Amino acid sequence: QKEVEQNSGPLSVPEGAIASLNCTYSDRGSQSFFWYRQYSGKSPELIMSIYSNGDKEDGRFTAQLNKASQYVSLLIRDSQPSDSATYLCAVKGGNKLVFGAGTILRVKS
Amino acid sequence: KAGVTQTPRYLIKTRGQQVTLSCSPISGHRSVSWYQQTPGQGLQFLFEYFSETQRNKGNFPGRFSGRQFSNSRSEMNVSTLELGDSALYLCASSFTAGRTGELFFGEGSRLTVL
Repeated sequence: QKEVEQNSGPLSVPEGAIASLNCTYSDRGSQSFFWYRQYSGKSPELIMSIYSNGDKEDGRFTAQLNKASQYVSLLIRDSQPSDSATYLCAVKGGNKLVFGAGTILRVKS
Repeated sequence: KAGVTQTPRYLIKTRGQQVTLSCSPISGHRSVSWYQQTPGQGLQFLFEYFSETQRNKGNFPGRFSGRQFSNSRSEMNVSTLELGDSALYLCASSFTAGRTGELFFGEGSRLTVL
């Protein structure tokens, strides 16, 4: 079992819709959770971090964490074509930061 | 504020050669991590340095090594290159080792091994 699992996609959503990206992790002791966005040919860029159960909102982005279910999600409201990218979930337990393989998001105009 | 700078951006080597990649972190950042990114394996952790000390190491063979200098700049070296070492090597910095989940990545060094 991979430590951090994501559906590779592609996830296709129409412009203006809500995109929902999901991530599960295996280490129950994990404490910190992150979402990175990576455009094609570019390096990853941190967009959200979440440390406690519940929701955290930042503009059009909402990160959701459920430690009991070992589940993290990222919602993107009012999706725009510029949101088309690969979204990487990263989980930190102890000193290790482990990345998922990423979900490709395509927003169609 | 300048971002993370990696050099060289692109390089081509042949099997058996060695390569050294350089990374200058964001000013004031003392933690530097290195990752290998390939289409098949995604982002794989190589090592992390903080204040010139290696704090963590991933599951890579001993051919992969690194170091950090007193000015926080870091280098990684790969000896006896293999075809499978072709990848994008990403360096990331953070302010402290305790917050290494919040990383700032450089543009990467793309290595092709022929």
